[in-house]
Amino acid sequence: AQTVTQSQPEMSVQEAETVTLSCTYDTSENNYYLFWYKQPPSRQMILVIRQEAYKQQNATENRFSVNFQKAAKSFSLKISDSQLGDTAMYFCAFMTPVLNDMRFGAGTRLTVKP
Amino acid sequence: EAQVTQNPRYLITVTGKKLTVTCSQNMNHEYMSWYRQDPGLGLRQIYYSMNVEVTDKGDVPEGYKVSRKEKRNFPLILESPSPNQTSLYFCASSSAGNSNQPQHFGDGTRLSIL
Repeated sequence: AQTVTQSQPEMSVQEAETVTLSCTYDTSENNYYLFWYKQPPSRQMILVIRQEAYKQQNATENRFSVNFQKAAKSFSLKISDSQLGDTAMYFCAFMTPVLNDMRFGAGTRLTVKP
Repeated sequence: EAQVTQNPRYLITVTGKKLTVTCSQNMNHEYMSWYRQDPGLGLRQIYYSMNVEVTDKGDVPEGYKVSRKEKRNFPLILESPSPNQTSLYFCASSSAGNSNQPQHFGDGTRLSIL
């Protein structure tokens, strides 16, 4: 069974600093996709970044980047130059092809302090 | 505008009173699913549908029913709601068989069963 683990229930960071959110997963599949979703207080689920397992290059989206370590089954999210609007719950998610079966971690609540 | 629409956004009801949460998407997506979000557990899949008239159980299907009579609609039915079904519910959709495309989420339904 696929599982996703986020070991940091809560984190905080000062505005303009960098923070890294951890995520590990367990799977026997070789082909899969990984995602980070952001959930602000409005409750919307917003896609932050995604990574295909077959790609060695780490994905980046502006201030957001990932450190994908396939052998270690690790998929951390780095937020650079943190902004107050980054305050949210962040979910790591794992999906296998064909079934579109998406598994989520328990989430990390990030607070950006002014 | 591409979107997934859930209704209602909020509902307070009593044990045993049947209710339906509607979900509609305008992106012609084959795949639709329902999740519930609970503190410390992340999002867990209730049911999913790969296409019209095709539905399957997710991780936590007990106490729920779904139907997929039309491609755009995927209602979630609680025949006899109980307090342990108090949760935040999300509907999502995506193109089937193309997991590179992330799931699009509705804005959530906060359900309270008294």
